[in-house]
Amino acid sequence: QVQLQESGPGLVKPSGTLSLTCSVSSGSITSAFWWSWVRQSPGRGLEWIAEIHHGGSTNYNPSLKSRVTVSVDKSKNQFSLNLNSLTAADTAVYYCARHVPVTGQRGFDYWGQGTLVTVSS
Amino acid sequence: EIVLTQSPGTLSLSPGERVTLSCRASQIVTSSYLAWYQQQPGQAPRLLIYGASNRAPGIPARFSGSGSGTDFTLTISRLEPEDFTVYYCQLYDSSYPAYIFGQGTKLEI
Repeated sequence: QVQLQESGPGLVKPSGTLSLTCSVSSGSITSAFWWSWVRQSPGRGLEWIAEIHHGGSTNYNPSLKSRVTVSVDKSKNQFSLNLNSLTAADTAVYYCARHVPVTGQRGFDYWGQGTLVTVSS
Repeated sequence: EIVLTQSPGTLSLSPGERVTLSCRASQIVTSSYLAWYQQQPGQAPRLLIYGASNRAPGIPARFSGSGSGTDFTLTISRLEPEDFTVYYCQLYDSSYPAYIFGQGTKLEI
């Protein structure tokens, strides 16, 4: 079954940029149309950040849109997240997830284990 | 922007009991855009139900979802010890647009 693994720095400075990569294994990134980033913190709960189609189309959470960029590299079976202008409020566990590959349905059926990112000087 | 409200916040039950969790949207939504997740401590959420009533592969039959309009429910027919954890509903709000999550319901023994 498909496996997802997030990677990236666990500590980032305020005003800096968070860069994370999600590596997809035991399956192709084309196994589903869409892939997402989600974060979770005690204060904000679960928060969807962005989604990307394996063809490169993207959609962003309006509340984060000005600070977020996601991209995909099909040759590496990976997709990535960049979040800039960081503050302590961006401290969270960041997950990557796969959308259910069922037309017209919504849900995230595979998730990475999550990576804790702390924003601190 | 649609708001999802889960109730109750915490529920105290015993193994073997039946439980129904509620997820209410602030406006009428598309049922196929509603999902339920279970999250164990220190783990990622696990998809239980998508499209309001479709059980995800590998999910035990004791889990079922239903609802339409603004009111959706997740029912666990007979609680097992491993079911005592946190449950979230999720909705795709096409008008916003974004995926939104409820605040969660915790089942405790």
